[in-house]
Amino acid sequence: NAGVMQNPRHLVRRRGQEARLRCSPVKGHSHVYWYRQLPEEGLKFMVYLQKENIIDESGMPKERFSAEFPKEGPSILRIQQVVRGDSAAYFCASSPPPPPGYGYTFGSGTRLTVV
Amino acid sequence: TQLLEQSPQFLSIQEGENLTVYCNSSSVFSSLQWYRQEPGEGPVLLVTVVTGGEVKKLKRLTFQFGDARKDSSLHITAAQPGDTGLYLCAGVRGSQGNLIFGKGTKLSVKP
Repeated sequence: NAGVMQNPRHLVRRRGQEARLRCSPVKGHSHVYWYRQLPEEGLKFMVYLQKENIIDESGMPKERFSAEFPKEGPSILRIQQVVRGDSAAYFCASSPPPPPGYGYTFGSGTRLTVV
Repeated sequence: TQLLEQSPQFLSIQEGENLTVYCNSSSVFSSLQWYRQEPGEGPVLLVTVVTGGEVKKLKRLTFQFGDARKDSSLHITAAQPGDTGLYLCAGVRGSQGNLIFGKGTKLSVKP
């Protein structure tokens, strides 16, 4: 049973470039969550998606960030025109259908460095 | 404002000692989870507690959920170097699916 697969593991982007982070959930999991972790900080919720739907994006910055979870393929977190402050570890988690908050499985994360 | 406060932030102990990590909030959670995270990896779920007053044991780890479902503790007996890592508590509120994380307790167990 494959867990949550995230790629790339490490991503270096220059300021102003775009970053695309991919997440393939556990097989059979229909819910995907993205979190961001800064050094010495806990994880901060960004967005919660089901297939083809954004359920809760209250943690997403209003500009430059977007997320999708298409019918086919992985979930994508997209950051346009990256800035140094976007440097962080981005984690994806998946879970089976509700009740909410149960059965979370996290991926190993993508470490984004903006230079 | 941090919704979930974890203490202590850092803990360095010798192998064989006991320790307790606390996770406190003024908010009520429908469930609370504990994770362990190692450097360069994602968090790994240790336990989920749901019922107020619930106690769960996982080998040398004992987890407790407060009666009012606002706080939790993790107790490790006879710590081993393999217990070293970042311990995170995370709460679920109501019908929301996302987790609210504390900042974590960084534990170091020296041989």
